[in-house]
Amino acid sequence: QLQLQESGPGLVKPSETLSLTCTVSGGSISSSSYYWGWIRQPPGKGLEWIGSIYYSGSTYYNPSLKSRVTISVDTSKNQFSLKLSSVTAADTAVYYCARAAAAGTGQISGMDVWGQGTTVTVSS
Amino acid sequence: QSALTQPASVSGSPGQSITISCTGTSSDVGSYNLVSWYQQHPGKAPKLMIYEGSKRPSGVSNRFSGSKSGNTASLTISGLQAEDEADYYCCSYAGSSTLFGGGTKLTVL
Repeated sequence: QLQLQESGPGLVKPSETLSLTCTVSGGSISSSSYYWGWIRQPPGKGLEWIGSIYYSGSTYYNPSLKSRVTISVDTSKNQFSLKLSSVTAADTAVYYCARAAAAGTGQISGMDVWGQGTTVTVSS
Repeated sequence: QSALTQPASVSGSPGQSITISCTGTSSDVGSYNLVSWYQQHPGKAPKLMIYEGSKRPSGVSNRFSGSKSGNTASLTISGLQAEDEADYYCCSYAGSSTLFGGGTKLTVL
């Protein structure tokens, strides 16, 4: 059974770069049928899509975060990663990684497997 | 790009049916049959309930159904059960991007 697990620092200082990794187990990240995505949820608020990546390295980002976000994939380690630069308190959230079924180039039909989420707090 | 619009809350009694709407634009919900719905219980990760507008993943109860008309997608839950009390989010492809709705809290009375 496919499982996703987020890892990374739980505390990041303002203006620094948030870095998280999602490790995929029980299946290959190199499947042509899926994208791999990051979603976040600030405390008490709704879900926000951050971006997605295909195993080939093609990326799609939320326009509102695009200038600060980099998502990368390491197929040899079956992992994909998120970097968010110049963080502020507004970036404090639970960050989820998820598998997303591909419906076409850049198109997601549904995110069917999620990690448990990791809480990242931005504070000095 | 703005978030998709959902009602903040809906409620219903056990056994009843409820519908949650998700309103977008002709650039997202209206242009693609790529609306998905997620259920989230407190402190838990979201769970996919509907994809491609009306399809149910394996294991999801047939009490959950999805539809779309124009720029508005809908999730209907029939035969409400206590365990259905949760937050529900719609999501749509929006042309090289993906949008979530603001979420709807379902209360089972």
